[in-house]
Amino acid sequence: QSALTQPASVSGSPGQSITISCTGTSSDVGSYNLVSWYQQHPGKAPKLMIYEGSKRPSGVSNRFSGSKSGNTASLTISGLQAEDEADYYCCSYAGSSSYVFGTGTKVTVL
Amino acid sequence: QITLKESGPTLVKPTQTLTLTCTFSGFSLSTSGVGVGWIRQPPGKALEWLALIYWDDDKRYSPSLKSRLTITKDTSKNQVVLTMTNMDPVDTATYYCAHTPQWLGASRYYFDYWGQGTLVTVSS
Repeated sequence: QSALTQPASVSGSPGQSITISCTGTSSDVGSYNLVSWYQQHPGKAPKLMIYEGSKRPSGVSNRFSGSKSGNTASLTISGLQAEDEADYYCCSYAGSSSYVFGTGTKVTVL
Repeated sequence: QITLKESGPTLVKPTQTLTLTCTFSGFSLSTSGVGVGWIRQPPGKALEWLALIYWDDDKRYSPSLKSRLTITKDTSKNQVVLTMTNMDPVDTATYYCAHTPQWLGASRYYFDYWGQGTLVTVSS
């Protein structure tokens, strides 16, 4: 059960859109539409942003959206804002009630 | 309102056993489908899932750490306890507990509420 692969960093200017990829295998991302995404600001606990691939919890901005194609899930942040600068982690259900997290992506707002 | 809070030692010596407690409120771990998991994060590194326990006492562990982990629950106290044996400096991390929800009695596979985390340092 290896960590899902994410780019180490992604950056964009305010107002732009960015996409973070999360690549797994046919045993996790590819087998289930159960990828979740978490935002983590420095020194804070992770916050759920997307669940079950593309669903947003109440209170999360609709600027955040999720999708999946094959073994790769993606998180898109549109209309990038300064407050979006944080680390982002994907997480996939991997069968038998086990989970695997991604390597994490640092988002920088230029 | 769901809240979770981790507690335990901040410093443990190599080879010792770590015991962490997650005390929660706002939900019951006897509700069908509900679970509580543990996730850790070494300083400057990524999140790593460790273990999860469900309302029916079903327990799941990370394959890479299974031999060292034990997760239990005390429903009456609203607590979940994680023990990790044979601690090593590489186990230095912030340990989080988190809630996994249910919908119509079926488990959902994500962590919607997290504790603030507790930093555990392993050093002699």
